[in-house]
Amino acid sequence: NAGVTQTPKFQVLKTGQSMTLQCAQDMNHEYMSWYRQDPGMGLRLIHYSVGAGITDQGEVPNGYNVSRSTTEDFPLRLLSAAPSQTSVYFCASSYWASKETQYFGPGTRLLVL
Amino acid sequence: AQTVTQSQPEMSVQEAETVTLSCTYDTSESDYYLFWYKQPPSRQMILVIRQEAYKQQNATENRFSVNFQKAAKSFSLKISDSQLGDAAMYFCAYATKSSGDKLTFGTGTRLAVRP
Repeated sequence: NAGVTQTPKFQVLKTGQSMTLQCAQDMNHEYMSWYRQDPGMGLRLIHYSVGAGITDQGEVPNGYNVSRSTTEDFPLRLLSAAPSQTSVYFCASSYWASKETQYFGPGTRLLVL
Repeated sequence: AQTVTQSQPEMSVQEAETVTLSCTYDTSESDYYLFWYKQPPSRQMILVIRQEAYKQQNATENRFSVNFQKAAKSFSLKISDSQLGDAAMYFCAYATKSSGDKLTFGTGTRLAVRP
């Protein structure tokens, strides 16, 4: 099993550009989520999904879109990048977030100029 | 809103000694789960230990144990026989199914281990 994979590992964007951060898992997990990690603020939930076709907002959803067309994939789209979106982004998956271990991807470091 | 507070931004411990990291949380729920995650310099998030609120017995995983005080809403992590590889950021987290099954993280404690 590859676990949770994320691409790219690092990306530089200009303000206003759009891009998609990819996340995939091969563990047949229903629950997937996206977090951002900023210095001194821990991890904050952006969006999450409890299964294919179902998504919901987390704590900091503005400026991001998600979709879940398959169990395996959960891409995060930045519609118009802003410097405030400079961060490290983590994707995670589990059977249930509260009861089970969440498996995290290696992270994507995003720099918006 | 649920909150998780880690009041120690940085801690330091001598190799082979014991250190305790603090975490408090705020909730009105009775059924919830608490976690400690480790983030080494590689940035990979690794689950250290998990506690289910309905269990009175404190969870242990080898050198890692917790002191879960439900009434005080406290969930501290004790690392015994500290090793150089324990140096990392440690995050306390909370989740409950009634809140949509989402993890809420504290701001983290950076642990340094002195040789």
